Amino acid sequence: AQRVTQPEKLLSVFKGAPVELKCNYSYSGSPELFWYVQYSRQRLQLLLRHISRESIKGFTADLNKGETSFHLKKPFAQEEDSAMYYCALGRATGKLIFGQGTTLQVKP
Amino acid sequence: DTAVSQTPKYLVTQMGNDKSIKCEQNLGHDTMYWYKQDSKKFLKIMFSYNNKELIINETVPNRFSPKSPDKAHLNLHINSLELGDSAVYFCASSQVYSGVTGELFFGEGSRLTVL
Repeated sequence: AQRVTQPEKLLSVFKGAPVELKCNYSYSGSPELFWYVQYSRQRLQLLLRHISRESIKGFTADLNKGETSFHLKKPFAQEEDSAMYYCALGRATGKLIFGQGTTLQVKP
Repeated sequence: DTAVSQTPKYLVTQMGNDKSIKCEQNLGHDTMYWYKQDSKKFLKIMFSYNNKELIINETVPNRFSPKSPDKAHLNLHINSLELGDSAVYFCASSQVYSGVTGELFFGEGSRLTVL
């Protein structure tokens, strides 16, 4: 079965601390993985996708097929990073399977 | 020039009523979706339409009926509302390429409260 698991419901860090939001997936084929973010009072939007292999707002995520993980990392958290983060597994039909979401709280 | 717009943003209604949520996208995408976000913020797909044709229909009660009059619109009608239908409903659109999942563009969400 296809599944995305984000084990942490809430992650609270201090400004300047490193951040790692965990994501594990279950999928028999070749996965397409994404991170979506929802800032307060804004719509859900794409943060990054694994095929792009880019850094957005200082965030990176590496696909580890051996561990079936796609963790989101940032070396130094900023207060404006506080948001809800969703890891998602994509299918060719356009369907996205989302994880449960992790709220990142960056304290001053 | 909003990309994906949904109306209404808030909807409060009594159990047993019928209600609709409308969605429109001006991005020229060929695929539209309805997602449900429950009270625990879990986001789950309900339906997907590609060029007005239903392509994804998850295990959703048949009280929920999507309608796509054209590829820029996807409306959601809910009959006989129940307390458990209270949630935020998100509309989204994307361009589906062969073998590749396109970026989803989401609406702001419609918060439905059933009393």
